[in-house]
Amino acid sequence: DAGVTQSPTHLIKTRGQQVTLRCSPISGHKSVSWYQQVLGQGPQFIFQYYEKEERGRGNFPDRFSARQFPNYSSELNVNALLLGDSALYLCASSASVAPGANVLTFGAGSRLTVL
Amino acid sequence: AQSVTQLDSQVPVFEEAPVELRCNYSSSVSVYLFWYVQYPNQGLQLLLKYLSGSTLVESINGFEAEFNKSQTSFHLRKPSVHISDTAEYFCAVMPNNAGNMLTFGGGTRLMVKP
Repeated sequence: DAGVTQSPTHLIKTRGQQVTLRCSPISGHKSVSWYQQVLGQGPQFIFQYYEKEERGRGNFPDRFSARQFPNYSSELNVNALLLGDSALYLCASSASVAPGANVLTFGAGSRLTVL
Repeated sequence: AQSVTQLDSQVPVFEEAPVELRCNYSSSVSVYLFWYVQYPNQGLQLLLKYLSGSTLVESINGFEAEFNKSQTSFHLRKPSVHISDTAEYFCAVMPNNAGNMLTFGGGTRLMVKP
């Protein structure tokens, strides 16, 4: 069975540009979450979607947005890129959003470099 | 709100030696606790979790962690490490009353030397 898949794996952008990152959850999982991992730090929560609705949002500016599609895949968009947006963006999926047993399974990430 | 502190950013250890990676947390509500491992250029893999019951939890590859509620800690231990255990380890918490968002610590880089 395929795990959580993310694309692209690596990308380079310049300041001010926009980027779209994509995530396909594990088959049967209806929730997708996005995390940002800056080099040398732990991941930070950005968004959570469940059944196409936003269920949670971390402390990130409005330049960050996301959506979930009917097939439960998701996109993360970042506008007006800043150097500080350079990071590994991790997508995680889970069957639902109930705490505890619905453990998050992470993809390998998309590494964004902003020059 | 929750916060997680991993007290050591790097832990060098020789192969076959024991190791402990420390994790303390703060939360206004009860939490579930997790350890994830990240190998170079990879995503996060769940190592073990504490949801309820016995405070000592074990993974399939020899790691164990003990939940200590009074000290708000969830330290990770292994009695004998291998070169292949070299990786970044992240402690994380999840509130038990709303959603399954994780709050991570800053990570501990375990470096196993031959």
